[in-house]
Parts: sequence; structure tokens; C-alpha cells
Amino acid sequence: GDSVTQMEGPVTLSEEAFLTINCTYTATGYPSLFWYVQYPGEGLQLLLKATKADDKGSNKGFEATYRKETTSFHLEKGSVQVSDSAVYFCARDNYGQNFVFGPGTRLSVLP
Amino acid sequence: KAGVTQTPRYLIKTRGQQVTLSCSPISGHRSVSWYQQTPGQGLQFLFEYFSETQRNKGNFPGRFSGRQFSNSRSEMNVSTLELGDSALYLCASSLGDSREAEAFFGQGTRLTVV
Repeated sequence: GDSVTQMEGPVTLSEEAFLTINCTYTATGYPSLFWYVQYPGEGLQLLLKATKADDKGSNKGFEATYRKETTSFHLEKGSVQVSDSAVYFCARDNYGQNFVFGPGTRLSVLP
Repeated sequence: KAGVTQTPRYLIKTRGQQVTLSCSPISGHRSVSWYQQTPGQGLQFLFEYFSETQRNKGNFPGRFSGRQFSNSRSEMNVSTLELGDSALYLCASSLGDSREAEAFFGQGTRLTVV
């Protein structure tokens, strides 16, 4: 069935390092794509989204571009901060009724 | 505006018991989805309700059930609890009317089955 694959980590970086978290999806048609972030003890928060091919979602310095040809939606940030430490989930929608999530990538940023 | 509210935040139950979790969505949102989060399986979709009707269901046994009320509040019930049901249960609300609709998550209910 349709799925989302992402690097599972954990990923450990030093502050101000460049971040990439890879995400690929399988789907029938062209789903909307999302990145959600989960801080310790919290639910999920939307980080960014893209709804059609070549769209770029961006928020808080994070970016991801919807690549239809490679079925990818990689998350990037040029300079991470300690406060970015969290678990990041890539997701695609299922005809607007629910999400299919990747396994999550735990990011730890060291000062 | 108020966010998604899940109650209770924490629960401890004994194997074989049943449990009911509650979710109050954002005002105006008609879609409520439930997810189970565990370290081994990640985030798995349970079911989604829209205007009191179950629109979609994940691959969980019949012990897991839910409903939605006319004010969009939703409950999920798990009967005959098993140790493996220990998890964080997350509720998400959205307008539910398009593939672009953002979902807002509650903080979750942490269920521990002993």
C-alpha cells in the first residue's frame, strides 16, 4: 500500500550545522505532503506542507520541496539550533481523511 | 482559539479492563482522527470521523472503536485491554474538507496497561 519512508536516525548534530532528513513516499496520484515535529511530551505540530509538485514549504528556517519525479520531500535547515531537538515526521495525506506517517527521525542538536 | 483537548492525559489500567478516551476538536472542525503511537510501530492510524460518520478505518482489531457526537467531540474505546495496547493515543482535528487541510494534534493520552 501507500507508504512514507524516512531516515530513522537518531541524527546528532552540532549547533549551526546543516540538516537534511530524507523522505520518500509512494502514493496513487498526487498527495499533499507534510512535515510534523514532536517535542518531548507533546503532540505533533505542523512544521510545513506542500500540496503540489515543485511547491516549496518553509517555516522557521526549515524548507522542503515537493519532487514528483523522485517522489521525495526532503527536509533541510541551513543552521540548526539546540531548540530544534525533536522528532520529525514526514507524512502524506490519504485523500484528506487521515495521514500516513513515516517512522520519525529523532534529531539531537548539541551546543 | 482553543486547541485540541484530550482527556485524560494519563491512564493506568489493568489487563482485561476497558477504557474510554476523549477528544474535543478545534471549534468548527468536523473531522477527528485517532492515532496510536508506540516506539516499535510508530504512528498508526486508527479511524477518522467526519460529521458523526466513520469515514476511514485503519487495521486494528474490533476491540478498538470510536464515535463522534453532534458537537464534533469524539471518544475512542478499547475493550479487553492487552499489555500491547500501552501507547500514546493522539487525536487530530481538521476541517476535513480537502487534501490540503492541516491537522491539529492534541497532547495525547498516555495509556499504560499493567
